[in-house]
Amino acid sequence: RKEVEQDPGPFNVPEGATVAFNCTYSNSASQSFFWYRQDCRKEPKLLMSVYSSGNEDGRFTAQLNRASQYISLLIRDSKLSDSATYLCVVNGGGYNKLIFGAGTRLAVHP
Amino acid sequence: DADVTQTPRNRITKTGKRIMLECSQTKGHDRMYWYRQDPGLGLRLIYYSFDVKDINKGEISDGYSVSRQAQAKFSLSLESAIPNQTALYFCATSDALSEVTSYNEQFFGPGTRLTVL
Repeated sequence: RKEVEQDPGPFNVPEGATVAFNCTYSNSASQSFFWYRQDCRKEPKLLMSVYSSGNEDGRFTAQLNRASQYISLLIRDSKLSDSATYLCVVNGGGYNKLIFGAGTRLAVHP
Repeated sequence: DADVTQTPRNRITKTGKRIMLECSQTKGHDRMYWYRQDPGLGLRLIYYSFDVKDINKGEISDGYSVSRQAQAKFSLSLESAIPNQTALYFCATSDALSEVTSYNEQFFGPGTRLTVL
């Protein structure tokens, strides 16, 4: 079983739609959680951290459920520029070790 | 100028050749990392370094070696390249952890696309 699992997609949605991605992780001792965004053939960039209480950044909302070992990302009012691969990332070690999911691809169309 | 740079950006080589990928950073970070990305597998850690004298293996270090020439430079070598090392390679940097934080954001370079024929 992969340490971090995501639905690879693609999710094809029209502009303005709301879309949600889910992610599960296997290590219950994981300490920190993140969503990274990766554009095609580019480097990953931190989108947002995920806190136990849930957090929102503009159109993006992240949620963490430690009991179920589940992380989610909600994107409201999708824009064409949101088209990318979204990587679920878990920090599980004391040396800043990051475990990456394989990513979920989002394609927003006009 | 980019904070984390990688050279070359693209490389095609043949089986058995020695290849070096280079990474430089101007962020002043102590920690540097090398990852590879394969379709459907996500990024996997090859090696990481906390400072010039501290280098550690990641989860897939076999067939690779590294050199931390200075705080700002971290090189990855494939001593004898093989086709299954064809991948997208990323270098990343981060600040050292403090007493109160278990995580510092990692900043990635633009990647090197390596093809081994």
